[in-house]
Amino acid sequence: DIQMTQSPSSLSASVGDRVTITCRASQGIRNNLGWYQQKPGKAPKRLIYAASSLQSGVPSRFSGSGSGTEFTLTISSLQPEDFATYYCLQHNEYPITFGQGTRLEIK
Amino acid sequence: EVQLVESGGGLVQPGGSLRLSCAVSGFTFSDHYLEWVRQAPGKGLEWIGRSRNKVNNYTPEYAASVKGRFTMLRDDSRNSLYLQMSSLKTEDTAVYYCARDVSTISGGQWGQGTLVTVSS
Repeated sequence: DIQMTQSPSSLSASVGDRVTITCRASQGIRNNLGWYQQKPGKAPKRLIYAASSLQSGVPSRFSGSGSGTEFTLTISSLQPEDFATYYCLQHNEYPITFGQGTRLEIK
Repeated sequence: EVQLVESGGGLVQPGGSLRLSCAVSGFTFSDHYLEWVRQAPGKGLEWIGRSRNKVNNYTPEYAASVKGRFTMLRDDSRNSLYLQMSSLKTEDTAVYYCARDVSTISGGQWGQGTLVTVSS
């Protein structure tokens, strides 16, 4: 199975900060990666697909990059509604696997 | 508007069975892959299965943790995907989500989830 490792596992930041979350795959997955945001008690919401394409309706302060084994999600200027848990997901091969999550908290 | 609505969760004893439903609307049911993903209380997300589209004969893929115990079925007349769960274990306790194909541009939508509790 492909292991997806996110770093950091948790992060404290302030409104207006620039934040970067990293996801590393245990083997190459091309650009077959998505990023999801989940708020407590809610379903995950896809932010990014194909590693760097912004989902329709998602604010442009979110961006993704990377290919192969290393990927990043960047939030250019944190807004209050961005405090949540973020997950990466690889769909290059079965089983589809998620990272363990990054909890983004208010400093 | 794309919608996925899960139902059927509840309390079941270890070793028991349960069937979850995912009713979809807003897109052509037979054209799309559908996924089941679960989340144990306070834990991360775990993909548990995929139902391919009709062109691919609705063939399934399962995670090792559920293979042989869980089965996915489709009903075109009801635009519904089902997850038949048997030999349930306490570690199957989770919120179960249905999602439209996580790997395509048009996909990525999720339902609100349904809670399954396996306990005596």
